Amino acid sequence: EAGVTQFPSHSVIEKGQTVTLRCDPISGHDNLYWYRRVMGKEIKFLLHFVKESKQDESGMPNNRFLAERTGGTYSTLKVQPAELEDSGVYFCASSPLGQYNSPLHFGNGTRLTVT
Amino acid sequence: LAKTTQPISMDSYEGQEVNITCSHNNIATNDYITWYQQFPSQGPRFIIQGYKTKVTNEVASLFIPADRKSSTLSLPRVSLSDTAVYYCLGLNTNAGKSTFGDGTTLTVKP
Repeated sequence: EAGVTQFPSHSVIEKGQTVTLRCDPISGHDNLYWYRRVMGKEIKFLLHFVKESKQDESGMPNNRFLAERTGGTYSTLKVQPAELEDSGVYFCASSPLGQYNSPLHFGNGTRLTVT
Repeated sequence: LAKTTQPISMDSYEGQEVNITCSHNNIATNDYITWYQQFPSQGPRFIIQGYKTKVTNEVASLFIPADRKSSTLSLPRVSLSDTAVYYCLGLNTNAGKSTFGDGTTLTVKP
């Protein structure tokens, strides 16, 4: 099966610009998560979708970040306007619904650099 | 959330067995102890998972004592390609977020 795919793999933007990251989960996985690692720090949870609904968005840093998952398939994470501290690697993960111990399957991430 | 503590780094040589221990004193009852491996420029990759006692698969073994306050990942006969960062975490996907600790950077030398 195809794994979790993320696009783009790298993005370099200037402060104040907008960037949209995309995640395609494994087909049939209703759980979708966004994580990020800011340089030198641990991987931190951002939010969790169950199908198209936001289950938990307690990790979203501020209102410059907007995540959507219309139709319950792929998800986008928009940063607008981007700030320098938003630089880091953004990971997406997915898992099937109903299996509470199912491992998360991660994509290879999008490396975002804000200059 | 269960906070995990692991050694920051470990060194080993090819062919040796490597054991990485993780402390998770406040692991939740419904959490499964899960280990991931991460190479540079890649996402974390699932290695092994367990709830209690011992679990073994084709790449690793996981030992979990009865109190579940710690776990030990055992990698038999490591090779240079096992050089990576290893993370342990408590995982309950239906509850949502999981927390990655700082991980253990394993360096395998020839």
